[in-house]
Amino acid sequence: GQQLNQSPQSMFIQEGEDVSMNCTSSSIFNTWLWYKQDPGEGPVLLIALYKAGELTSNGRLTAQFGTTRKDSFLNISASIPSDVGIYFCAGIPGAGSWGKLQFGAGTQVVVTP
Amino acid sequence: GAGVSQSPSNKVTEKGKDVELRCDPISGHTALYWYRQRLGQGLEFLIYFQGNSAPDKSGLPSDRFSAERTGESVSTLTIQRTQQEDSAVYLCASSPTGEQFFGPGTRLTVL
Repeated sequence: GQQLNQSPQSMFIQEGEDVSMNCTSSSIFNTWLWYKQDPGEGPVLLIALYKAGELTSNGRLTAQFGTTRKDSFLNISASIPSDVGIYFCAGIPGAGSWGKLQFGAGTQVVVTP
Repeated sequence: GAGVSQSPSNKVTEKGKDVELRCDPISGHTALYWYRQRLGQGLEFLIYFQGNSAPDKSGLPSDRFSAERTGESVSTLTIQRTQQEDSAVYLCASSPTGEQFFGPGTRLTVL
C-alpha cells in the first residue's frame, strides 16, 4: 500500500497566489518526484530530486528534497488557470530502481480567476 | 503518435467477465509498467517489465491479474473474473532508463 502522506488533499486558490504542498514518509526515499495529472490524462513529470537537501526549479515550480530524506515539498508561484490539476508526489525507496514508484494520494488544485 | 497509447480508453464490463487492456509503449523503451489508480487516490504499482528479464509482479493484487509483454513492444494486462473493486483507471508507462512516460489510461467499470 501507499507509504507517502501527501497534503493538503485539495486547495482552492485565486489566480496569482502561491501554492504549497508536501509529502512525508515514514521511511527513507532516495529519489523524490513530482507529477501533474490533467483529467483523462496520465501523470506528467514536473521535477525530479535525487539528493537530500536539493532544491530544484522548473519555471514557476520549485521543489525540495528534505534533508531527512523522508519528505519533499512543491511550491507553485503566481498561479495561473492552467495550473489546475492533481499534483502527485512519488518516491523511489532505498536503493530501488525507477521500477517501483510509490505515489501519494494527490493534491487537487483549483485556481479561480 | 510519439507517446504511450492505451486501448480501450473506456471499458464497461459485468462482474465475473474477463477483460484485456492493451498498452503500446514508446518505441525503443525497454521498461514498461502497469499501475492502478482508484478514484481520488494515487497510483498503485502492479507490474514492471524490463527487457528480457523476468517481470516484477510484486504489485499484482491477486492471481486474477496477469500481464504479458511481447519483446519490447505491446503489453496486455488481463483481469479474470472481474469484481466491482477492480473498477479503476489502469495506467501504463514506458521508460528508456529513468523517467516514466504515462499513457492516458483505460477506465474500467465493473457493474
